[in-house]
Amino acid sequence: QQQVKQSPQSLIVQKGGISIINCAYENTAFDYFPWYQQFPGKGPALLIAIRPDVSEKKEGRFTISFNKSAKQFSLHIMDSQPGDSATYFCAADSGGGADGLTFGKGTHLIIQP
Amino acid sequence: NAGVTQTPKFQVLKTGQSMTLQCAQDMNHNSMYWYRQDPGMGLRLIYYSASEGTTDKGEVPNGYNVSRLNKREFSLRLESAAPSQTSVYFCASSEVMSGSEAFFGQGTRLTVV
Repeated sequence: QQQVKQSPQSLIVQKGGISIINCAYENTAFDYFPWYQQFPGKGPALLIAIRPDVSEKKEGRFTISFNKSAKQFSLHIMDSQPGDSATYFCAADSGGGADGLTFGKGTHLIIQP
Repeated sequence: NAGVTQTPKFQVLKTGQSMTLQCAQDMNHNSMYWYRQDPGMGLRLIYYSASEGTTDKGEVPNGYNVSRLNKREFSLRLESAAPSQTSVYFCASSEVMSGSEAFFGQGTRLTVV
């Protein structure tokens, strides 16, 4: 049972455009929602994260929008750059954090120059 | 600052062979994890260890065993490798609390022929 559904699977955006990746979750016990960025040949690295008590979090060009009632959250990359080309994973964590993150299947993002 | 170190980086096994993937972290984290990453499947949790001396099954534990050797080291063993275990394996560590960043190693690319 997939607890975190991520879309789209792949995305091509022109340089300077907005990249949007969406995730939906089922488990209402989730209380922490991070996004990880992964470059080829590397391990995932934390990009930005949000808790469900806020509806939006912004760090530079990266913004998470969170809709608790719809159980959805999304990553927006403003002014997308070729260096943003990577695979992005949304994830979710439930109380305690010791039993690992539940990941979406990933989005392969390509920013065309 | 090494972070999470995995060895080996690449490995080719024949069906039925055994091997151990090694992982060590130098951040004094209590929790450690093993994930596998397959195309289109995201990252799936194999086993985790919330603290030294404890291990628990994740989403896809069949065919694997783990050992939390000490606080720093968490190994993953394949007793009798199968082609279905061809994957990229990631070790990660974090503090034991929801909202803690998980730090990933660079991965081990395993091919079973």
